[in-house]
Amino acid sequence: QVQLQESGPGLVKPSETLSLTCTVSGGFIRNYDWSWIRQPPGKGLEWIGYIFNSGSTNYNPSLNSRVTISVDTSKNQFSLKLSSVTAADTAVYYCARIGRGSSWIEEAFDIWGQGTKVTVSS
Amino acid sequence: DIQMTQSPSSLSASVGDRVTITCRASQSITTYLNWYQQKPGKAPKLLIYTASTLQSGVPSRFSGSGSGTDFTLTISSLQPEDFATYYCQQSYSAPRTFGQGTKVEIK
Repeated sequence: QVQLQESGPGLVKPSETLSLTCTVSGGFIRNYDWSWIRQPPGKGLEWIGYIFNSGSTNYNPSLNSRVTISVDTSKNQFSLKLSSVTAADTAVYYCARIGRGSSWIEEAFDIWGQGTKVTVSS
Repeated sequence: DIQMTQSPSSLSASVGDRVTITCRASQSITTYLNWYQQKPGKAPKLLIYTASTLQSGVPSRFSGSGSGTDFTLTISSLQPEDFATYYCQQSYSAPRTFGQGTKVEIK
C-alpha cells in the first residue's frame, strides 16, 4: 500500500523559497508519476505541477517561473521548491500520486499525502 | 486554461436523499473528468475517474456520468459519512484544473 508524507517548514518568510519533500513508502517512486497540489485557507484546489517517471516536468503556467519539482530516487522522495513567496502562497500543500487507467491518458490523483500547512509571514 | 464550474456551490440534504452535483467544463474534455471528496482537515479522496469509473473501494451509491462539457456526480442515498465537499477535476489538458467545490451539508 503506497503512502505519501509531506515534510518541510511550516513558516516561510516573504521573498524566500518554500521547500517541501514528499516521501513515498510502500512502492518504488520510479514506477509512477507524481504531483503537487495546494489549497489556500478556505479555498479550492490548485494544481502546481507534475514530475513524470522519466524525470520530465510540467508546471502550472501561473507559477511556472517560480516552481521546481525534482525527484531523488535514492531516497524515494520528490520535492517542491517555490521561490519568491508571498502571502498568497499560504496554503496546505499536498503531494499526490498520478494513477492511470487502461490507457496512459486516463489519469487521476489516486493517492494523496495528508497535507502540510505552510504560512508565508515575516 | 479550461475552467471548471460546479453547481450548486452548496446544498443541504437529509440522510437517504438522492443528491446530484453538476460540473461544466469551458470546452470539451471528452470523458477526462474526475471527482474527489474532501472532509474537513483531510486530503481529497478520489471517488470517480474518467467520468464514470468508480475507484476501488468507493461505495456503489456514488456514480458519475457525462461527456463533452457536462458532467454529474450522483449519490443515490446520502449517508452520514457523505457530508463533505466534492470537487471535479479535468485531466484533458494542462494545466489541470479543479471546480470550486460543492459543499454537502446536513439539513
